[in-house]
Amino acid sequence: EAGVAQSPRYKIIEKRQSVAFWCNPISGHATLYWYQQILGQGPKLLIQFQNNGVVDDSQLPKDRFSAERLKGVDSTLKIQPAKLEDSAVYLCASSRDYEQFFGPGTRLTVL
Amino acid sequence: AQSVTQPDIHITVSEGASLELRCNYSYGATPYLFWYVQSPGQGLQLLLKYFSGDTLVQGIKGFEAEFKRSQSSFNLRKPSVHWSDAAEYFCAVGTSGGYQKVTFGTGTKLQVIP
Repeated sequence: EAGVAQSPRYKIIEKRQSVAFWCNPISGHATLYWYQQILGQGPKLLIQFQNNGVVDDSQLPKDRFSAERLKGVDSTLKIQPAKLEDSAVYLCASSRDYEQFFGPGTRLTVL
Repeated sequence: AQSVTQPDIHITVSEGASLELRCNYSYGATPYLFWYVQSPGQGLQLLLKYFSGDTLVQGIKGFEAEFKRSQSSFNLRKPSVHWSDAAEYFCAVGTSGGYQKVTFGTGTKLQVIP
């Protein structure tokens, strides 16, 4: 089966600009996660979807980050406006039976 | 809330030597435990997982881990390390029941010297 797809793989923007990341999970996986991984740290959960609904967004900076999952499949994560500290790898994962499968990530650099 | 501690930030081993990476967790119920490996520029790949049953878990690439409830530990082991094992390793704990929330440790970077 195809894995989790993410795009773009790399993005460089200036602070105060906006950016969007896209994720296509494994077919049939109801749960989708977005993680932020800052260099030298473990992944930190930003938001978790179960089908279309959000089940955990407690660590999502809602003043600048937003995410949606249309029709319970693809998802987009947006940052507007970006700050220097948003430079990180953004990982998308989907899961079935409590096992997560990760995409390759999007490396964001904010200048 | 659950948490994971990986006390070793960086470990260096010689190729062919044995390896043990430490992981301690905190969670009030029986946890789901995972080890992931991340090579530079790559996403995370699952090495092995523990949900229940036998406390010694076998994974891919010759790795194994042992769940010790009394010590709240889930250490990763490999009897003979290969140069290709150089990567960063993350331990994670997942909640059981309902919507699973997974919390990751800060990772251990493994360097393998010839």
